[in-house]
Amino acid sequence: DIQMTQSPASLSASLGETVTIECRPSEDIYSGLPWCQQKPGKSPQLLIYNANSLHTGVPSRFSGSGSGTQYSLKINSLQSEDVASYFCQQYYDYPPTFGGGTKLELK
Amino acid sequence: QVQLKESGPGLVQPSQTLSLTCTVSGFSLTSYDVHWVRQPPGKGLEWMGGIWGDGSTAYNSALKSRLSISRDTSKSQVFLKMNSLQTEDTAIYFCTRSITTDYWGQGVMVTVSS
Repeated sequence: DIQMTQSPASLSASLGETVTIECRPSEDIYSGLPWCQQKPGKSPQLLIYNANSLHTGVPSRFSGSGSGTQYSLKINSLQSEDVASYFCQQYYDYPPTFGGGTKLELK
Repeated sequence: QVQLKESGPGLVQPSQTLSLTCTVSGFSLTSYDVHWVRQPPGKGLEWMGGIWGDGSTAYNSALKSRLSISRDTSKSQVFLKMNSLQTEDTAIYFCTRSITTDYWGQGVMVTVSS
């Protein structure tokens, strides 16, 4: 199975700050990677698919980049509603596997 | 709009069978795949398996011997059945649309306990 190493596990940032979360697959996943946001008690919501495509209705302050074995999610101008957990996933190979998640809090 | 909603028992006894239903709306099961993903308390997400628009299925090899996924397209429902449940199967169970997980259900908490 492809291992998805996500970092950091937790992150504290201030309003208006730019934050970056990274995901490193154990092998090339050819951009088969989405990023999701999960707020406490809520279902996950897709933010980015295919590593860098913004899902419908997602604010443009979210962006994804990367290729091969290195991917990142960037949140520009952090808002209070961005406090959540974020996780990556790969769907290039079976079984689909997930990163361990990043818990984002306000400083 | 696209919606998925899981339903099923909140409590299952060890060694028993779990049956969950995912009822979808806003899209056709013959056009999109639907997957089951679970999240044990305080742990990461695990893909369990999925069913494709043509009715074919795929399972996580770690669960394959215990897991069955089926559907009723006329009712827009996808079913999960998993037998021989153990305490480590305690988790929130989600259904999602597409392998890209573009839409998720709210999840259902399943506790395995006597």
